[in-house]
Amino acid sequence: EDKVVQSPLSLVVHEGDTVTLNCSYEVTNFRSLLWYKQEKKAPTFLFMLTSSGIEKKSGRLSSILDKKELFSILNITATQTGDSAIYLCAVLQGAQKLVFGQGTRLTINP
Amino acid sequence: EAGVAQSPRYKIIEKRQSVAFWCNPISGHATLYWYQQILGQGPKLLIQFQNNGVVDDSQLPKDRFSAERLKGVDSTLKIQPAKLEDSAVYLCASSLVLAGAGTDTQYFGPGTRLTVL
Repeated sequence: EDKVVQSPLSLVVHEGDTVTLNCSYEVTNFRSLLWYKQEKKAPTFLFMLTSSGIEKKSGRLSSILDKKELFSILNITATQTGDSAIYLCAVLQGAQKLVFGQGTRLTINP
Repeated sequence: EAGVAQSPRYKIIEKRQSVAFWCNPISGHATLYWYQQILGQGPKLLIQFQNNGVVDDSQLPKDRFSAERLKGVDSTLKIQPAKLEDSAVYLCASSLVLAGAGTDTQYFGPGTRLTVL
């Protein structure tokens, strides 16, 4: 059975801290791995990772994929209260099917 | 560019009643998806359309759920009759590429929060 597992499920840190969110996967017909941020309802796209070892960066967020060990990490440096959200990891399979993890709820306290 | 539109945003019904959700994807997007997101879980794909054809509906509970995408644009998802466990957020997403033709980002709508009492 295809599965995507995220850890931790919940994380509370102080503003300014650096956090690392983890995502491991076991899926068939892997095409790419995506990270989304979900604040209210609609997940918003952060990164798509297809190749191993190539870091993608957007401001204070960065992510990398390891296709040999089947995992990805999402780093957020100098966290701000606006980073509080649920972060979803998803694997894109075959015909554009996304399999999501259960998400990590990140809370940034001022 | 307008995003994915969904309506209604909220719906409260009693069990055994029927309910329908509507989705309008981003203009020109060939592929449309319906997801169910139960509280505390990640979204789960219910059905995937490419234009007006079904690509994957393996996780759609077909005894009570149905979906259509007439004319390959808007889509409706129906639940009849609803059960308590159907309480969830129903997300619609769309992507530009055809299934299997490459990788592309899925863009999500704001969702419909369904509460079944």
